[in-house]
Amino acid sequence: QITLEESGPTLVKATQTLTLTCTFSGFSLRTAGMGVGWIRQPPGKALEWVAIIYWDDDKVYNPSLKSRLTITKDTSKNQVVLTLTNVDPVDAATYYCTRKRGYSHVVGFDRWGQGTLVTVSS
Amino acid sequence: SYVLTQPPSVSVAPGQTARITCGGTIIGSKSVHWYQQKPGQAPVLVLFDDSDRPSGIPERISGSKSGDTATLTISRVEGGDEADYHCQVWDTSGDHPGLFGGGTKLTVL
Repeated sequence: QITLEESGPTLVKATQTLTLTCTFSGFSLRTAGMGVGWIRQPPGKALEWVAIIYWDDDKVYNPSLKSRLTITKDTSKNQVVLTLTNVDPVDAATYYCTRKRGYSHVVGFDRWGQGTLVTVSS
Repeated sequence: SYVLTQPPSVSVAPGQTARITCGGTIIGSKSVHWYQQKPGQAPVLVLFDDSDRPSGIPERISGSKSGDTATLTISRVEGGDEADYHCQVWDTSGDHPGLFGGGTKLTVL
């Protein structure tokens, strides 16, 4: 069974750093082509792709967030960590951890975590 | 930069056919994926590579593409199909790799 679970603070203050952890099971980031990433959704708004890290440590970031983002993986723990610095109230959203099985554009995000809601106080 | 445009809402009576469109100039050259999101839940992939269904997705859900427009079609609509539907394209050559549409709220009358 494939699962992904997000964890982290539910409330952060503006200008602080947000750190979210995705812990997954049922697959491995040692598998060629495998990727785990993050997608967020502000309340009542559209989905926004954030970042992804692949099995070979290749990383791709949303250009509009890139200067504030870092994504890392711990393959032994089956975890991916997302760090977003200098948060702003506009960063408030439900953050989803997702899986992508390959680099190709023909592959979608086929598994999602339940999401974690992050509120940013000003 | 590329944009994916979806109608904000679509309404259909039970048993009828719902069609949700996703338009954008990038669609002609990249695969389109569709996600279903019910209230309070995470999205679920229902179509990938324009028209392929993951295991467990009913055949009532189908996809097509023509030119710059992709279409998600739900036949014999049921109350359980009421949800938000999001289209998405992956393009690392552009300035926004993981592009999503604005989402469409499907209402079953």
